[in-house]
Amino acid sequence: QVQLVESGGGLVKPGGSLRLSCAASGFALSDYYMSWIRQAPGKGLEWISYISSGGHAIYYADSVRGRFTISRDTANNSLFLQMNSLRDDDTAIYYCARDLGIAQPAYFDYWGQGALVTVSS
Amino acid sequence: DIQMTQSPSSLSASVGDRVTITCRTSQTISKSVNWYQQKPGKAPRLLIYAASKLQSGVPSRFSGSGSGTDFTLTINSLQPEDFANYYCQQSYSAPLTFGGGTQVEI
Repeated sequence: QVQLVESGGGLVKPGGSLRLSCAASGFALSDYYMSWIRQAPGKGLEWISYISSGGHAIYYADSVRGRFTISRDTANNSLFLQMNSLRDDDTAIYYCARDLGIAQPAYFDYWGQGALVTVSS
Repeated sequence: DIQMTQSPSSLSASVGDRVTITCRTSQTISKSVNWYQQKPGKAPRLLIYAASKLQSGVPSRFSGSGSGTDFTLTINSLQPEDFANYYCQQSYSAPLTFGGGTQVEI
């Protein structure tokens, strides 16, 4: 069955870096758009990045553009989020999610359990 | 960016009630709205996509309607397991955006 498992979260100082991983099973990453979505403590959902099924279309929210990089390893069926220059307001639970969009991102039918990233000195 | 204004931000209801949550978008977006349920400590769950299509496995007491700029999620005969947070999301154009959420509580 479809499963998404995030890892790599933790405590990091402002200005530091962290790399999140999302191991997918039950489907091929190369067949779907994939997104990262985050949720600050007690707050709502914020979509931050997607990568297309072909891997050629990548998009970032303004809040992370230039600091975060989405990538994937189709051989190992894993999605990544490299986060640099982290700020206090990047503190959140980060979810990877499978997107059912075809020619563009659309909606998310499977989500991981989330990885907590805490940015604090 | 397309803004999603969701209301109310919270509501109190009882088991068996009919509950309606609305989402208004800052520009017309056809039927490109999706709805999610989130329980504390859990990832969101897709309920409705393309404004009115029920995701597989979701109980039929959940329904969605609307087009253009005004959208509605309705829960008929609220069940104890429906007490949660609900979010709308637009898929018309990037960046994808979510509403602020509605907490449905007893």
